[in-house]
Amino acid sequence: GENVEQHPSTLSVQEGDSAVIKCTYSDSASNYFPWYKQELGKRPQLIIDIRSNVGEKKDQRIAVTLNKTAKHFSLHITETQPEDSAVYFCAARWRDDKIIFGKGTRLHILP
Amino acid sequence: DGGITQSPKYLFRKEGQNVTLSCEQNLNHDAMYWYRQDPGQGLRLIYYSQIVNDFQKGDIAEGYSVSREKKESFPLTVTSAQKNPTAFYLCASSIEGTGITEAFFGQGTRLTVV
Repeated sequence: GENVEQHPSTLSVQEGDSAVIKCTYSDSASNYFPWYKQELGKRPQLIIDIRSNVGEKKDQRIAVTLNKTAKHFSLHITETQPEDSAVYFCAARWRDDKIIFGKGTRLHILP
Repeated sequence: DGGITQSPKYLFRKEGQNVTLSCEQNLNHDAMYWYRQDPGQGLRLIYYSQIVNDFQKGDIAEGYSVSREKKESFPLTVTSAQKNPTAFYLCASSIEGTGITEAFFGQGTRLTVV
């Protein structure tokens, strides 16, 4: 069945350093891979996404890479700042519009 | 603010009672979703609907029911058969068909069963 694995579950990085979160998906039919950020007590919000026909996408300090052959995709945050502290979720969407999320990564930015 | 409204924000119910969570969207989205969020478990899919009068079970549908009589509404009923209903419930909606567009979330309903 469809599944998305996300690692690590918790990540602590010094302010200014980079953070990387990795996800793998089970079904090659997936064609869309969004990343969401959820701050405490708030709803998840999209921060970046990538389609299956693209290998990399960047938006300022945030980038996502996709390896379709290996069925994995990663979120990269550079020059981390205190406001980057949150829970991050990867997801994969299938052609029948089913969206499955990873279990999330709690990112701590250390001063 | 996203056009998806969940109500109420907090809900308390006694064990054994059914409870219905509301989700309304004015984004003209065809696809709608219900997720359950527990600490360390991420977002687990309960039900989703691609179109009016049609819906599919997600990974944890047991003890839940939904209806999709109108495009803008996708209520979730937590029945007494759900063994551990206390959780944070999130509704989302998205454009259907292309499979390559983001889902927008409501603000969530925190259900506590006592």
